[in-house]
Amino acid sequence: SQQGEEDPQALSIQEGENATMNCSYKTSINNLQWYRQNSGRGLVHLILIRSNEREKHSGRLRVTLDTSKKSSSLLITASRAADTASYFCATDAGRGSTLGRLYFGRGTQLTVWP
Amino acid sequence: DVKVTQSSRYLVKRTGEKVFLECVQDMDHENMFWYRQDPGLGLRLIYFSYDVKMKEKGDIPEGYSVSREKKERFSLILESASTNQTSMYLCASSTSRGRISYEQYFGPGTRLTVT
Repeated sequence: SQQGEEDPQALSIQEGENATMNCSYKTSINNLQWYRQNSGRGLVHLILIRSNEREKHSGRLRVTLDTSKKSSSLLITASRAADTASYFCATDAGRGSTLGRLYFGRGTQLTVWP
Repeated sequence: DVKVTQSSRYLVKRTGEKVFLECVQDMDHENMFWYRQDPGLGLRLIYFSYDVKMKEKGDIPEGYSVSREKKERFSLILESASTNQTSMYLCASSTSRGRISYEQYFGPGTRLTVT
């Protein structure tokens, strides 16, 4: 399965600290995406990084991609209590992709304490 | 803004009932998806559709069927609900260009309890 694996499963930090989550996947990809899910809600797209990109920024988010290691990381700088959520990475399957299908990991639960 | 709506936020059904979960998107997206989410298991794809009347099985299609008669609407049907189908059901949609994947837009989810 192409399903990504996030690490760690859970992360607990204080407000103002940085949070780093990692994602590993198995096969080649066209792109990798990160999503956020607040408790009991749907997922919200955060950022997409293409396979030919190494780093991408969006506000306090920084995503890196290392296709040689088949891994990505999501860094949230200066975390806030409102960042408390589950974070998921999602990949396609590269040349084997089927019509926009994504493969989601099991998520990292981030808790930011005030 | 893209909007994906689901017919119910919470639903309680009895074992053996036929259950319909409806999803509507307003962005003319070609692709629509149904996932279920269970603690510790992440999102698992049940079915997806890339065009009207077209469907593909995901990883866990058993016990489910789908219908897409109009581009904006994708229905998930539990033919005979069972307690192991108690879960959070998430619908999503995305645009499509060949095999490239794009951002998926999710609905708020339906928490289904089967008793």
